[in-house]
Amino acid sequence: NAGVTQTPKFQVLKTGQSMTLQCAQDMNHEYMSWYRQDPGMGLRLIHYSVGAGITDQGEVPNGYNVSRSTTEDFPLRLLSAAPSQTSVYFCASGVRDELYEQYFGPGTRLTVT
Amino acid sequence: GQSLEQPSEVTAVEGAIVQINCTYQTSGFYGLSWYQQHDGGAPTFLSYNALDGLEETGRFSSFLSRSDSYGYLLLQELQMKDSASYFCAVRLFSGGYNKLIFGAGTRLAVHP
Repeated sequence: NAGVTQTPKFQVLKTGQSMTLQCAQDMNHEYMSWYRQDPGMGLRLIHYSVGAGITDQGEVPNGYNVSRSTTEDFPLRLLSAAPSQTSVYFCASGVRDELYEQYFGPGTRLTVT
Repeated sequence: GQSLEQPSEVTAVEGAIVQINCTYQTSGFYGLSWYQQHDGGAPTFLSYNALDGLEETGRFSSFLSRSDSYGYLLLQELQMKDSASYFCAVRLFSGGYNKLIFGAGTRLAVHP
C-alpha cells in the first residue's frame, strides 16, 4: 500500500494563479481531509469529505474548493492564489467511524509570491 | 467556536518524564487524540481517549478528564528521538459530521 500520496511536493505560484493540489489514498477510507500548517498555528482544517460526493467546510475554507468524485481522490483547488496561502498543505484519510486516527500524506510546500 | 490550549515549548533531559497538557473548549466533543510530528515530516497518530482515564501505549500514556475539559500526554524514559512537536486534537460532531480539530502544538526538545 502506498498510503496517502500528495503531488506536487513543492510549488511556487504567482499571486492570482490557480492550481490543484492532488491527494490520493489506497486504503479505501471514506474520510479525507485537507489541513494547512503555518508556524505556531498547528494544523487548521480547510475542507473534509465523509465519502464520495459529500464535502464540508472546515475552519479556514475561504479561497479553496474541493470535490470528491471517487473514494480514492480528494483534490484541493486554489482559485486565485494569494501570499496568505503560502503554507504546507497536508492531506489525510481515515475510517469514518475512527477518524480520531488519520493517516497523513507527506505534504505539499506551497509558496505564493 | 472551539479552542485548544497547549504549551508552545517543553524541554527535558534524556531518561526523564515529561507531561504535555491540553485544555479544550468545544461543543460536540467526542474524544481527544495525540499526534507526533518530526521536523519536515507528517503528523503520525499516537493515542486516543474517548473516556475518562489513562491509556498506555509503551512509553507513552494519554489521559482525559471530560469534566475538566483537560487531557495530557505523558512521555516516559525520554529518548533523543522523542524531540518533535506534539499536537492534541479534538474529535467533534458538528454540522452533521465528525471532524478532527488540532491545537497549535507543543515543541519538545530532549537534551542529553
